[in-house]
Amino acid sequence: LAKTTQPISMDSYEGQEVNITCSHNNIATNDYITWYQQFPSQGPRFIIQGYKTKVTNEVASLFIPADRKSSTLSLPRVSLSDTAVYYCLVGDKNRDDKIIFGKGTRLHILP
Amino acid sequence: GAVVSQHPSRVICKSGTSVKIECRSLDFQATTMFWYRQFPKQSLMLMATSNEGSKATYEQGVEKDKFLINHASLTLSTLTVTSAHPEDSSFYICSARDQLGSLDTEAFFGQGTRLTVV
Repeated sequence: LAKTTQPISMDSYEGQEVNITCSHNNIATNDYITWYQQFPSQGPRFIIQGYKTKVTNEVASLFIPADRKSSTLSLPRVSLSDTAVYYCLVGDKNRDDKIIFGKGTRLHILP
Repeated sequence: GAVVSQHPSRVICKSGTSVKIECRSLDFQATTMFWYRQFPKQSLMLMATSNEGSKATYEQGVEKDKFLINHASLTLSTLTVTSAHPEDSSFYICSARDQLGSLDTEAFFGQGTRLTVV
């Protein structure tokens, strides 16, 4: 399983765009990149998943450069409710593949 | 969307007793479910992989006789913390994928169970 590295914490203000970058230098050919969000005392929630270039959904965008050794989660116009821990995971599409969490990024949105 | 439900959401038990936590996939089938433990301010730590109809696979350092896992059907896995001690107090989370449907690789997580051993 490819190891991921993210900033431990980030602060931003309401209404700003927040970009969280994840490094995964050892990503394998079959690996996808998935981001999860976790609020205190709740289970993680799926945000977005991608393989290359750019993926966008109603919540976020995911940018993946050509070498796929990193990825950036972009949250547009954050609000206080976006304060959470964000995890970047890399793994094969095999449905039995274990999901191993790194340390994640603790995002704190300020008013 | 697909939902994974855990029960109970919180439980307090006396030291030495056993506690069972249920994890259900409500609208999809899962031959594999995952159990995690999370201590305050820390990330999720994978404890074991629950396999329907067969023995669970435990991660290194996790005592299989203490954390009993049963995956009796395609929609239910249980984790029993036996002879609980205060150091077992933690947040336990289960996860499952829709392995037979069209939801691809997105994994769904339960809401977690807060266990406090007194």
